[in-house]
This record gives sequence, C-alpha cells and structure tokens, in this order.
Amino acid sequence: EVQLVESGGGLVQPGGSLRLSCAASGFTFSSSWMHWVRQTPGKGLVWVSGINSDGSSTRYADSVKGRFTISRDNAKNTLYLQMNSLRAEDTAVYYCARGGAGATVYFVYWGQGTLVTVSS
Amino acid sequence: SYELTQPPSVSVSPGQTASITCSGDKLGDKYACWYQQKPGQSPVLVIYQDNRRPSGIPERFSGSNSGNTATLTISGTQALDEADFYCQAWDSSTEVVFGGGTKLTVL
Repeated sequence: EVQLVESGGGLVQPGGSLRLSCAASGFTFSSSWMHWVRQTPGKGLVWVSGINSDGSSTRYADSVKGRFTISRDNAKNTLYLQMNSLRAEDTAVYYCARGGAGATVYFVYWGQGTLVTVSS
Repeated sequence: SYELTQPPSVSVSPGQTASITCSGDKLGDKYACWYQQKPGQSPVLVIYQDNRRPSGIPERFSGSNSGNTATLTISGTQALDEADFYCQAWDSSTEVVFGGGTKLTVL
C-alpha cells in the first residue's frame, strides 16, 4: 500500500523558516518524480515544486522560486521542502504527491497534508 | 500565465450523467487530468492523460479533451460521488496548472 506521510507543519512568523518532510513507502521512491502541492483553506490547489527521481532536476512555481528548496533522500525514502522567508500568503495545507509515469505531469498519490500557518 | 477555468458548481440527480468542463487555451494540445476531493480528505486522481482511469476508479468516470475544453463525465452518478473536482494540465512552458475546482452536488 502506498503511503505518503507529511510532517513539519506548524505556526511560523512572517519571514521565518520551516522544513517539511514526507516519508514514503509502498512504492519505489527512488524511481519516482515527487512534488509538493498546496491548498489554501477553502480554496483550490496550487503546485509548488517538483524533483526528479535522483534529485538532479528541480522545478518551482514562480511564487516560491528563490525562497523554497525541494530535496530528497532516496536512502531514507523521504522528500523535503525547505521554506524560507515565509509570507502570510504561504499559509496552506501542503501535500506531498507522487508523480505519474509518462511524458506529462500528474499526481498519482497524495499524502494527508500538513498545515503551515504564517502569522504574527 | 496559463489559466484553466471550471464552473464553480454542477448539480445532478442520482443516476444521471454529470459533465464537468475545464477550459483553457489550446488545452487539447496538452494532457488533462482530474482529481476528486471529498471534504476533509486529500485529492484522488480519477482521470489522467485525458481519458485513462487509474486502477480502482469506477468505470462510470470518463474523460475527454479536445480543442479548448476537457470534460469529466460521470455516468450513473451516485451520492458518494459528491465532491470537489479539479482539472489539471501541464506543459513545459506553463508548468503545472490547476483549475479552480467544481463542486458537484448530487440531489
């Protein structure tokens, strides 16, 4: 059974930092693109970042470029998102998602999400 | 920036067919996919690459994509299908884009 378990969310002040983790199991983590997608409470979904299977290629939404860093540890089957210079508009539930196979991007499995609140 | 537009809400009677549209410039040139999200739960992929169903997704879910519109069709809609549905597309220039979501009400 595929499992993606996010952790690391919480309350942080504007300008602060937070690191999210996503522990993966039930599939070959080291062969999968992985992504972070966020959802503002009561609103829609927004892709944040993605990383290829060996970590050599990363992509970011313009809204987080230069502030967030995605990484992975294939030995630990864990995905990370380092979030710096956090803003109120970064407040959201952050989901870890496994990318699908093929020449396009879609999300086959999603974690349960972790809530990040940026507020003073 | 690239945008995908969905109707905010769609209503359907039990047993009838529900159609949810997703519009974007030349969307038919990209692959579209669809997610179902029930209250308090994570999204679930129901259609990918325009019309392919992941294992475990009922046959009553189908998809199409042509021109500027992708459509998710739910045949024989059941009460348990009530949820928010999001379309999503990708290409190398626009990255990943989600539609704003459609609330499907079965009444």
